[in-house]
Amino acid sequence: NAGVTQTPKFQVLKTGQSMTLQCAQDMNHEYMSWYRQDPGMGLRLIHYSVGAGITDQGEVPNGYNVSRSTTEDFPLRLLSAAPSQTSVYFCASRGVRYEQYFGPGTRLTVT
Amino acid sequence: AQSVTQLGSHVSVSEGALVLLRCNYSSSVPPYLFWYVQYPNQGLQLLLKYTTGATLVKGINGFEAEFKKSETSFHLTKPSAHMSDAAEYFCAVNPSGGGADGLTFGKGTHLIIQP
Repeated sequence: NAGVTQTPKFQVLKTGQSMTLQCAQDMNHEYMSWYRQDPGMGLRLIHYSVGAGITDQGEVPNGYNVSRSTTEDFPLRLLSAAPSQTSVYFCASRGVRYEQYFGPGTRLTVT
Repeated sequence: AQSVTQLGSHVSVSEGALVLLRCNYSSSVPPYLFWYVQYPNQGLQLLLKYTTGATLVKGINGFEAEFKKSETSFHLTKPSAHMSDAAEYFCAVNPSGGGADGLTFGKGTHLIIQP
């Protein structure tokens, strides 16, 4: 199993540009989520999904959209990038024993 | 609102010494508790978890943690530090047990191992 994969690993955007961060898992997990990690802040939940077609907001959802058309994929869209969205983004999926498996992360810089 | 407090943003211990990383949480219901480790430029790896049952849980790499409800704590320990333990450690809580509201993380503790 590849586990949780994320692409791209690095991305630089200009203010106002849009992009999609890809996340996929091959463990057939229903629950998936997106976090952002900022220095000294730990990880904060952006959006999560409990299954295909069902998504909900986390702690810091503004400026981000998600959709879940399949069990495997959970993309995160930045609609109009802002410097405040410079961060490291982690996708995670949750197993039946409640442990979360994290992807390797996408390091995003918005100039 | 739920919260997780990790005491000490940086902890330094000598190789071979006891490692103690502190975590306190607030939750109105019995929580599920986790410790994760993050090595530089990598994702998070689960060290151990507490959901129900035995309050002393053992994890990977010789780490263990004890859930103390009366103290609302879940401190992480390892009897003898190794150089390879140098990393960032995060305590996290799912405050509604197995609920769908994700994990709340502490701000992390950077563990430094002195030779």
